[in-house]
Amino acid sequence: DTGVSQNPRHKITKRGQNVTFRCDPISEHNRLYWYRQTLGQGPEFLTYFQNEAQLEKSRLLSDRFSAERPKGSFSTLEIQRTEQGDSAMYLCASSRGTSGGPTYEQYFGPGTRLTVT
Amino acid sequence: AQTVTQSQPEMSVQEAETVTLSCTYDTSENNYYLFWYKQPPSRQMILVIRQEAYKQQNATENRFSVNFQKAAKSFSLKISDSQLGDTAMYFCAFNNAGNMLTFGGGTRLMVKP
Repeated sequence: DTGVSQNPRHKITKRGQNVTFRCDPISEHNRLYWYRQTLGQGPEFLTYFQNEAQLEKSRLLSDRFSAERPKGSFSTLEIQRTEQGDSAMYLCASSRGTSGGPTYEQYFGPGTRLTVT
Repeated sequence: AQTVTQSQPEMSVQEAETVTLSCTYDTSENNYYLFWYKQPPSRQMILVIRQEAYKQQNATENRFSVNFQKAAKSFSLKISDSQLGDTAMYFCAFNNAGNMLTFGGGTRLMVKP
């Protein structure tokens, strides 16, 4: 299967701990997106990369959050000093695309469910 | 900033019947894309259908079709011949620059046997 994969699928952590999630996009996709989805709500945009460059960050992405895509392939999302309000599903998506070019569909991974106790 | 509103938190439909999910959006852009995504229980989000704003013809994908009213900023999804496997959360989403998607709050659809 060559879809978007995310690891781990579930993470339970204590408040104040750091956590890191990984996303592997579809191999030919140069764009990678992170979203956060709380229970019963639609996903909210966090950040996105085109190749290795982080092009946009939401104001939701506080300074405790950092995302990287060092070689333009997989990406990691780290949350430092987790808070209970960080409990959510973290979704990764990928697509083709270039700045100013056509809009392509985003394909989503299964998500990482974070529970902060 | 764009906003997307889905006014129906929950809907139900009998198997084999037709159901329409509503979506409205607000934008000052002229060129944009609209999507419907389906999220089955405990499963990942999948694309159902997309519509380019510059196209007047409504998109269709098998049993799924949209009613795109650009002036009214409305983008409803019609599911014909509903199947049990259509039970899911449905999200309407907006994209105007090939970047982030802005999602509505979702409609939970239950298909009853």
